[in-house]
Amino acid sequence: NAGVMQNPRHLVRRRGQEARLRCSPMKGHSHVYWYRQLPEEGLKFMVYLQKENIIDESGMPKERFSAEFPKEGPSILRIQQVVRGDSAAYFCASSPMGQIASGNTIYFGEGSWLTVV
Amino acid sequence: ILNVEQSPQSLHVQEGDSTNFTCSFPSSNFYALHWYRWETAKSPEALFVMTLNGDEKKKGRISATLNTKEGYSYLYIKGSQPEDSATYLCAFLNAGNNRKLIWGLGTSLAVNP
Repeated sequence: NAGVMQNPRHLVRRRGQEARLRCSPMKGHSHVYWYRQLPEEGLKFMVYLQKENIIDESGMPKERFSAEFPKEGPSILRIQQVVRGDSAAYFCASSPMGQIASGNTIYFGEGSWLTVV
Repeated sequence: ILNVEQSPQSLHVQEGDSTNFTCSFPSSNFYALHWYRWETAKSPEALFVMTLNGDEKKKGRISATLNTKEGYSYLYIKGSQPEDSATYLCAFLNAGNNRKLIWGLGTSLAVNP
């Protein structure tokens, strides 16, 4: 049973370009969470999605950032017109339906490191 | 604003030493407290999920206690080994409809052989 898969692991983008980060949850998991870790900071919640549905996007910056989790395929975190401040590690996690609501664990991917030059 | 604090920020111990560190969290609106172990270049890995005041959980040489009334949890490592070197994260899960994990910054542990 493969774990949470994220790709690319490392991505370099020039200012103004778009970055797309992909996350395939663990088999059987229908809930996906995206976190961002900025340098010298902890994990910050960005967005929580179920298939075809955004449950909570309260941690997403209002502009340039979007996320989706389609019926088929991975979840995608999309950052348009990237700026240097977007350079960070982006972690995806998944859980079976309702697990986080019952206090059970979530499973992380190994992260995608975005560098904006 | 919900705040989770971990101390110390970093810790260096010798192989064989026992050690402990603290996670402080809001004492109200508590639902669960998570501990994760995060090795460099790997994904955070769940250690414990604790929900009841007074809970004590153990996995090998690592154990954790929980005090929800005063808002703290301790993580203990008995007889530290170099492979225990990692960052230990705690995360507070609030009660209510809009639940999300609020993460501490972690305690970075280095165990010298």
